[in-house]
Amino acid sequence: AQKITQTQPGMFVQEKEAVTLDCTYDTSDQSYGLFWYKQPSSGEMIFLIYQGSYDEQNATEGRYSLNFQKARKSANLVISASQLGDSAMYFCAMREVPYGNNRLAFGKGNQVVVIP
Amino acid sequence: EAGVVQSPRYKIIEKKQPVAFWCNPISGHNTLYWYLQNLGQGPELLIRYENEEAVDDSQLPKDRFSAERLKGVDSTLKIQPAELGDSAVYLCASSLNQRSEAFFGQGTRLTVV
Repeated sequence: AQKITQTQPGMFVQEKEAVTLDCTYDTSDQSYGLFWYKQPSSGEMIFLIYQGSYDEQNATEGRYSLNFQKARKSANLVISASQLGDSAMYFCAMREVPYGNNRLAFGKGNQVVVIP
Repeated sequence: EAGVVQSPRYKIIEKKQPVAFWCNPISGHNTLYWYLQNLGQGPELLIRYENEEAVDDSQLPKDRFSAERLKGVDSTLKIQPAELGDSAVYLCASSLNQRSEAFFGQGTRLTVV
């Protein structure tokens, strides 16, 4: 069963504008972690931000913030003041803790293209 | 600090040939992962190591895939024999422990012809 859902089509974003990437997840565990990674054309997965299921405040890291709505099981990524270098694939991932096999389940990703 | 290093970056082989990928994790990271990423998809875990021990290899096709992590540092992933469907990007990642964020290498793009 799909644990992470990212369904937005590719997005074009004007430089300096904000963009929100949707992510919904499915789990029956109370303890889990949510991650966002960026994958530019070079192929490397770059860790952006983490939200724990028990964290009461939304996580922020520089221009990245995570809009965590636990009841809706959503963990949307907000990128403020987009830059050309933000053009990439963005993956939402979930780690369920604790459970026997500690693995990250990734969504299919969101393509973002920032235009000048 | 050096990140996760993978080699080669690209590999083209004929089907039925063997192939091996190498990964050097971040120094001090006990947990090492190998992921498979098909085109247009997110990465899927193949195997996870805690130090030298493979603690999760349930997704590894053991008839043709094998992996090792000698001395709990570098790791190699091997496919023998390769099939056309193995064409994908193979990502290595490491983390301080199983609960901390994973850092990925640039991956090896395998093309089987």
